[in-house]
Amino acid sequence: AQSVAQPEDQVNVAEGNPLTVKCTYSVSGNPYLFWYVQYPNRGLQFLLKYITGDNLVKGSYGFEAEFNKSQTSFHLKKPSALVSDSALYFCAVTMYSSASKIIFGSGTRLSIRP
Amino acid sequence: EPEVTQTPSHQVTQMGQEVILRCVPISNHLYFYWYRQILGQKVEFLVSFYNNEISEKSEIFDDQFSVERPDGSNFTLKIRSTKLEDSAMYFCASSDPRGGSNQPQHFGDGTRLSIL
Repeated sequence: AQSVAQPEDQVNVAEGNPLTVKCTYSVSGNPYLFWYVQYPNRGLQFLLKYITGDNLVKGSYGFEAEFNKSQTSFHLKKPSALVSDSALYFCAVTMYSSASKIIFGSGTRLSIRP
Repeated sequence: EPEVTQTPSHQVTQMGQEVILRCVPISNHLYFYWYRQILGQKVEFLVSFYNNEISEKSEIFDDQFSVERPDGSNFTLKIRSTKLEDSAMYFCASSDPRGGSNQPQHFGDGTRLSIL
């Protein structure tokens, strides 16, 4: 069965410092991997995706993620955090295509302090 | 940028009553979805819909649930006899696979359903 794990419930980072939000996945084939962000009282907003190709993918708002097949990880990163990055971040996986059902991780709350 | 819109933003319903949650997907999208998020828990897949029929559903999506695309723009989720445990945030999403299999799903802002 497919699954996604986000080992940290919360990540706290000072503004201007680099941030990493961790994600590992377990699937039986080649995954389609995504990061979504949820701001308070809003829906899930697409940040970036990995389908094939370069292991480092770039997305919205300066975020990037690195696909590591050997470690089955897809960590979200940003070189310099902003207070406005504070939100709930979800790692997600689908199989076969992005039209398939999304399996979400439990979410990581990112808090950026000024 | 086109958005998925959901109404109402908050629905309060007595247990046992029927409720219909409404969604307007992005206009040129062909796949439609419902997900739910119980407070403090993961976002869970409920159902996907394509070409006027359900393409996939989870074990959560039992006989109390149904989906419909009554016209060219709306996509609805009906819960026939609501239970307390149906209280959750319900998200609608849509995607357009004609652009390739890597097109992401776009989500609405959700409907918070509270069952009393």
